[in-house]
Amino acid sequence: RKEVEQDPGPFNVPEGATVAFNCTYSNSASQSFFWYRQDCRKEPKLLMSVYSSGNEDGRFTAQLNRASQYISLLIRDSKLSDSATYLCVVRGDDKIIFGKGTRLHILP
Amino acid sequence: DGGITQSPKYLFRKEGQNVTLSCEQNLNHDAMYWYRQDPGQGLRLIYYSQIVNDFQKGDIAEGYSVSREKKESFPLTVTSAQKNPTAFYLCASHSVNTIYFGEGSWLTVV
Repeated sequence: RKEVEQDPGPFNVPEGATVAFNCTYSNSASQSFFWYRQDCRKEPKLLMSVYSSGNEDGRFTAQLNRASQYISLLIRDSKLSDSATYLCVVRGDDKIIFGKGTRLHILP
Repeated sequence: DGGITQSPKYLFRKEGQNVTLSCEQNLNHDAMYWYRQDPGQGLRLIYYSQIVNDFQKGDIAEGYSVSREKKESFPLTVTSAQKNPTAFYLCASHSVNTIYFGEGSWLTVV
């Protein structure tokens, strides 16, 4: 099993729709979890940290399920500017592991 | 402002040459990382360092070397043994809650 797995997509979604991604991780001792956004030919930028209690930032909601070892990201009322690759990131004791990313295309 | 500085941003290398990518941080972070990203692909871990004078191989360390003589600096050398070095290279460090990235270095073999 890969350390961090994501569906690569692409997800083609009409503007205004709600879209959800999941990510699974293999190391139950992982400590911190994040969603990063990466635009083409740029470095990743932090979208949000992920907590078991769930956290929301505007149109974005993230959730961690430790028992099932997965992380989710929900985007409501999607905008054209949400088009990007979304990276699931898991930090353990000694290293940070990235998922391969999920590509999202918001269609006008 | 604190952050990570990578240089150069664009680098062209002839086959058979070694090149060194610079990564400097003023965030006082102990842990630093180097990742490689190929077009349309995810980030793959090359090397990481948890503390000065110590570093570990990541998933794709062959053909690369690093040093960590100072806390602020974690240079990556792409050696001639790396058969396909053309890629986007990212340096990172982290605090408890956030991972910081440099802007990346584009290496092209000509």
